[in-house]
Amino acid sequence: EIVLTQSPGTLSLSPGERATLSCRASQSISSSYLAWYQQKPGQAPRLLIYGASSRATGIPDRFSGSGSGTDFTLTISRLEPEDFAVYYCQQYGSSPPAYTFGQGTKLEIK
Amino acid sequence: QVQLVESGGGVVQPGRSLRLSCAASGFTFTNFGVHWVRQAPGKGLEWVAVIWFDGSNTYYADSVKDRFTISRDNSKNTVYLQMNSLRAEDTAVYYCARDWLTWNFDYWGQGTLVTVSS
Repeated sequence: EIVLTQSPGTLSLSPGERATLSCRASQSISSSYLAWYQQKPGQAPRLLIYGASSRATGIPDRFSGSGSGTDFTLTISRLEPEDFAVYYCQQYGSSPPAYTFGQGTKLEIK
Repeated sequence: QVQLVESGGGVVQPGRSLRLSCAASGFTFTNFGVHWVRQAPGKGLEWVAVIWFDGSNTYYADSVKDRFTISRDNSKNTVYLQMNSLRAEDTAVYYCARDWLTWNFDYWGQGTLVTVSS
């Protein structure tokens, strides 16, 4: 089973700053199978990035994803107040199909 | 617009059963698989189960295999999660989510809370 480890656990930044969130897989995965989600308190998660770098419908271009193999990154170029939330990476494994999430990174206002 | 609405949550004693429903609208239901994902209070996300668009295949997390069953009724645009032999560790908000590209979840419901407690 592939384990996803996100870092840092908590990231404290100010609006307007750049955020860099990391997701490391315990073994190499296809970039196609890596996604990022945002979750605000009391809300369902929202798909931000799929295929490691493709933005989902309606996601602002300040969100970008990158990476390959075992190391993936979510970057928010310039933080808006509504970006402070918890972010999860997620991967798909086949044979049989299974889906795992990282433990999450909490992005909080400094 | 795409909508997924869960229902059926509540408080249940350990060892008992509960069935959750996920009613879908705003898209061609028969073209998409549907997942259940849960989140224990204050914890992260855990994938539970998936059913293929036509119901031909289902897959489960090890933690729920042999206790939970996912099914769908395409005439009602609804997916179900039958949960048997419930345990305290099954306490969570249960979300249904639409499958995207087989690998992701692109639309989510608002969730329904299941509490397993005596």
